[in-house]
Amino acid sequence: GAGVSQSPSNKVTEKGKDVELRCDPISGHTALYWYRQSLGQGLEFLIYFQGNSAPDKSGLPSDRFSAERTGGSVSTLTIQRTQQEDSAVYLCASHKTVGSPLHFGNGTRLTVT
Amino acid sequence: EDKVVQSPLSLVVHEGDTVTLNCSYEVTNFRSLLWYKQEKKAPTFLFMLTSSGIEKKSGRLSSILDKKELFSILNITATQTGDSAVYLCAVLYNTDKLIFGTGTRLQVFP
Repeated sequence: GAGVSQSPSNKVTEKGKDVELRCDPISGHTALYWYRQSLGQGLEFLIYFQGNSAPDKSGLPSDRFSAERTGGSVSTLTIQRTQQEDSAVYLCASHKTVGSPLHFGNGTRLTVT
Repeated sequence: EDKVVQSPLSLVVHEGDTVTLNCSYEVTNFRSLLWYKQEKKAPTFLFMLTSSGIEKKSGRLSSILDKKELFSILNITATQTGDSAVYLCAVLYNTDKLIFGTGTRLQVFP
């Protein structure tokens, strides 16, 4: 596709359930980032993948959060045993080369009830 | 701790006014500073600044970086209602880590 694609665009889940958020980066982009944006807040870094290197997981807020990137392309962010404080917009972004601007997807709005 | 701080948090102006948005940073191994505009969903790229003192300009928007004082400003002249958005500053550092400030929410009224 022409841009970064995220699905679903909206997800409502009950507290305690697991959720999976998907990101399909721009073809050929080797780097992929996940950010979280709570209402009225800036972007909080979660995790970063670059090619075949080990991901930088330093931003994941707890061990309930994990992410994978299969085949160097699609990424899935998994949140286990969701809590109400996990409610936010989860944004994925990719870029082609180190230092080039990020291209963002439209995000997944997660609401935990 | 690596951080990016933006000010003001919020700004309300009338059409035609000029605004200056500020971004300061403290990171190790700075590489570049980026500005994004976020309206409803995905942030859209505005500028990337790598060198001090060189102004980047696009229409009514311009930005400059001071690597000695560790800050950048984003200027918008002759503001329009379509400029209303959250403006995000981000810093790329170390190998390829990008962190964002909390953003400045700009509201432009007719």
